[in-house]
Amino acid sequence: QKEVEQDPGPLSVPEGAIVSLNCTYSNSAFQYFMWYRQYSRKGPELLMYTYSSGNKEDGRFTAQVDKSSKYISLFIRDSQPSDSATYLCAMSSNSGYSTLTFGKGTMLLVSP
Amino acid sequence: GAVVSQHPSRVICKSGTSVKIECRSLDFQATTMFWYRQFPKQSLMLMATSNEGSKATYEQGVEKDKFLINHASLTLSTLTVTSAHPEDSSFYICSASLGLAQETQYFGPGTRLLVL
Repeated sequence: QKEVEQDPGPLSVPEGAIVSLNCTYSNSAFQYFMWYRQYSRKGPELLMYTYSSGNKEDGRFTAQVDKSSKYISLFIRDSQPSDSATYLCAMSSNSGYSTLTFGKGTMLLVSP
Repeated sequence: GAVVSQHPSRVICKSGTSVKIECRSLDFQATTMFWYRQFPKQSLMLMATSNEGSKATYEQGVEKDKFLINHASLTLSTLTVTSAHPEDSSFYICSASLGLAQETQYFGPGTRLLVL
């Protein structure tokens, strides 16, 4: 079993839809959870950063962490065509000094 | 804040030549920088962790003599792909850690390398 599992998609939704992106993981030592957005041929851009379990909201984005289920989610409200990108989840057992374990990324396509 | 740049953004070279990629943290000092490689439709694979003033730590399977990393200052790390071959063609991305507790990594825009 891979440490981090993420459905590669593509996930196609119409503009304005609520998008749910998810990752599961197997390493219970992970405490820091991140979501990155990566446009084609660009480096990943940090979207959300959470520590341990709970929810975090930032504008149209909400990150959820359920450590008991080893499951994390990113919700995007009122999705826009500009949200079309690959979304990578990443996690680590320590702070920024430690290595990140990435999911493969989910490609999201938001159609106008 | 937390901007990381890479240069060049893309490079095409002949097989057997060496290529140097620079990674700079523009508005902060990065004690630790990371180098990743990403193949098409694949996730980022960590190649090495670079600490300022010390030798880089390479991941298993990454040849340290082929991928030379120098972290000469708190704002600059370089990756040199020596004697590049077509199978080294990939998207190379660096990241930098702010070095504060509970912070994460910020990524550069990546360098696309094509070896002919």
